[in-house]
Amino acid sequence: NAGVTQTPKFQVLKTGQSMTLQCAQDMNHEYMSWYRQDPGMGLRLIHYSVGAGITDQGEVPNGYNVSRSTTEDFPLRLLSAAPSQTSVYFCASSYSTGVGNTEAFFGQGTRLTVV
Amino acid sequence: ILNVEQSPQSLHVQEGDSTNFTCSFPSSNFYALHWYRWETAKSPEALFVMTLNGDEKKKGRISATLNTKEGYSYLYIKGSQPEDSATYLCAFPNTGNQFYFGTGTSLTVIP
Repeated sequence: NAGVTQTPKFQVLKTGQSMTLQCAQDMNHEYMSWYRQDPGMGLRLIHYSVGAGITDQGEVPNGYNVSRSTTEDFPLRLLSAAPSQTSVYFCASSYSTGVGNTEAFFGQGTRLTVV
Repeated sequence: ILNVEQSPQSLHVQEGDSTNFTCSFPSSNFYALHWYRWETAKSPEALFVMTLNGDEKKKGRISATLNTKEGYSYLYIKGSQPEDSATYLCAFPNTGNQFYFGTGTSLTVIP
């Protein structure tokens, strides 16, 4: 059982480059989300989705786009990378939406450096 | 933006000691309170999801309590072992879908 799979694990980008972080889950979870982890700060929600075709902004959405064309996949796009986006990114999924009462399963994380 | 606060920020205990830490969250519009364990170089893993005031959950030597009226949850570890060394995160789902995480309590258990 793969769970939540994130790719790549590591990435170095130049300022202004674009890239997509991939996230896929095989648990048929409706809820998927992206977080960034910065030193001294908790995980901060970037974007989330409560089902295919539905996305919404989290706490820190600027500079990121998402889409959810299937239940399984939830890619995160950086259109023009900036050094402030250097961070560790986590994708997570969970079964329920709207009540927050089921545990989240996290991917292994992507360490992104923007130079 | 909600404040989810955890204390202490870090803790060093001797093997065999019992310990506890706190998560504070807004007491209004409560949906659930999550606890996660995060080992270095791994991804967070769920410990507990608590939904009812007065809830007490237990998994082995780790237990948690919840007070939704005053907005806090305690995580207890009885007889700490080196393998308990990790960062413990709590998360509060505002509106049920927007999760706010605390900055975590980093626990080091000294053999």
